[in-house]
Amino acid sequence: NAGVTQTPKFQVLKTGQSMTLQCAQDMNHEYMSWYRQDPGMGLRLIHYSVGAGITDQGEVPNGYNVSRSTTEDFPLRLLSAAPSQTSVYFCASRQGRHHGYTFGSGTRLTVV
Amino acid sequence: KQEVTQIPAALSVPEGENLVLNCSFTDSAIYNLQWFRQDPGKGLTSLLLIQSSQREQTSGRLNASLDKSSGRSTLYIAASQPGDSATYLCAVRGIGTGFQKLVFGTGTRLLVSP
Repeated sequence: NAGVTQTPKFQVLKTGQSMTLQCAQDMNHEYMSWYRQDPGMGLRLIHYSVGAGITDQGEVPNGYNVSRSTTEDFPLRLLSAAPSQTSVYFCASRQGRHHGYTFGSGTRLTVV
Repeated sequence: KQEVTQIPAALSVPEGENLVLNCSFTDSAIYNLQWFRQDPGKGLTSLLLIQSSQREQTSGRLNASLDKSSGRSTLYIAASQPGDSATYLCAVRGIGTGFQKLVFGTGTRLLVSP
C-alpha cells in the first residue's frame, strides 16, 4: 500500500496563479482532509470530506476549494494564489470513527 | 475553543535517557488523542492513538498516557536514541462539531545526542 500520496512535493507560484494540489489514498478510507502547517501555529484544518460527494469547511477555508468525486482522491484547489498561502500542505485520511489519521508527506508551496 | 499546548518547546538530552513530553488541552470533551512524529521536511508519522476511554497505549519504547479529566497526556520515551531526534506533535480530536477535526499543539523538538 502506498498510503496517502501527495503531488507535487514542491511548488512555486506567482501571486494570482491557480493550481491544484493532488491527494490520493489507496486504503479505501472514507474520511479525508487538508491541513496547512505554518511556523509557530501548528497544523490547521482547511477542508474535509466524510465520503465521496460530501465536503465541508474547516478552520481556514478561505481561498481554497475542494471536491470529492471518488473515494480515493481529494484535490485542493487554489483559485488565485496569495503570499499568505505560502505554507506546507498536508493531506490526511482516516478509516473509521475510532481510527487515527494517516498523513501524506506534504506539499511545500511558495507564493511570490 | 480547544487549545493544545506542548511543553517544552525544545528538549536536548544525551543518548540513553528516559524522557517525558507533555501535552495539555483545554476542553476535556475529546474523542481521542494522537501522537505524531515529524522529521525535518517530512510528513507526520503516527506513533500512538489513545481513545478517550483509555488510560495509556504502548508501542515498543513509547508509552502514552491520557488523563482526560485534567486535560493532559504524556509521551514517555525509554532509553532514547539519536534516531528519536524529531519534532513530536500531539493532536486532539473532539466530539460534536469537533469530531472531524484534529487540533494540534505546536510540538516539542527533541534532540538526542550520541
